[in-house]
Amino acid sequence: GAVVSQHPSWVICKSGTSVKIECRSLDFQATTMFWYRQFPKQSLMLMATSNEGSKATYEQGVEKDKFLINHASLTLSTLTVTSAHPEDSSFYICSARDRSGRVSYNEQFFGPGTRLTVL
Amino acid sequence: QQQVKQSPQSLIVQKGGISIINCAYENTAFDYFPWYQQFPGKGPALLIAIRPDVSEKKEGRFTISFNKSAKQFSLHIMDSQPGDSATYFCAAGLSGNTPLVFGKGTRLSVIA
Repeated sequence: GAVVSQHPSWVICKSGTSVKIECRSLDFQATTMFWYRQFPKQSLMLMATSNEGSKATYEQGVEKDKFLINHASLTLSTLTVTSAHPEDSSFYICSARDRSGRVSYNEQFFGPGTRLTVL
Repeated sequence: QQQVKQSPQSLIVQKGGISIINCAYENTAFDYFPWYQQFPGKGPALLIAIRPDVSEKKEGRFTISFNKSAKQFSLHIMDSQPGDSATYFCAAGLSGNTPLVFGKGTRLSVIA
């Protein structure tokens, strides 16, 4: 149980295009989903917190107009990188919390990540 | 106050040895302390977690030791194996919908 999927697992795009990354909780409903960015050999950098049906809360320094987050249902959140540039190339990882109470209320389950390369 | 400091940055251990990774935190309100394991190109996977009402938790070869007064917790990997070679992150969490605060990670290499 508590499986989180991401799609696509990797994507290559041209500079200036937009890319959408999906994060799904497969066997539970997620109260909250988090989006992280990770550079090689570095820790996870929190980008934003999204709650179903409400606007995402972005961390300081993260451009909300560039990284659009939509949490339309309890099992799906999407991150859209708009007008991508080479500096946006990174590993993007989502995580989700299970609202059912089956597991610890603040346990976070991570997706497998999406490798974005912008040419 | 929200930081979690993790050490060492990298660690090399002989096969069969004990790997020890340490973390320290400042915020006494933290009430959840997980450890995650991450392999290259993969997302972090929850390894083991502890709450401040216990001082130790063991799951197989993995043990968390927690020292509330010192605001420190550590991960011990017994009988370390080459397959344990990965990056390990400690984290600390609060009640509610706040995100976990992560340490900077430790790259563990277990050599035969």
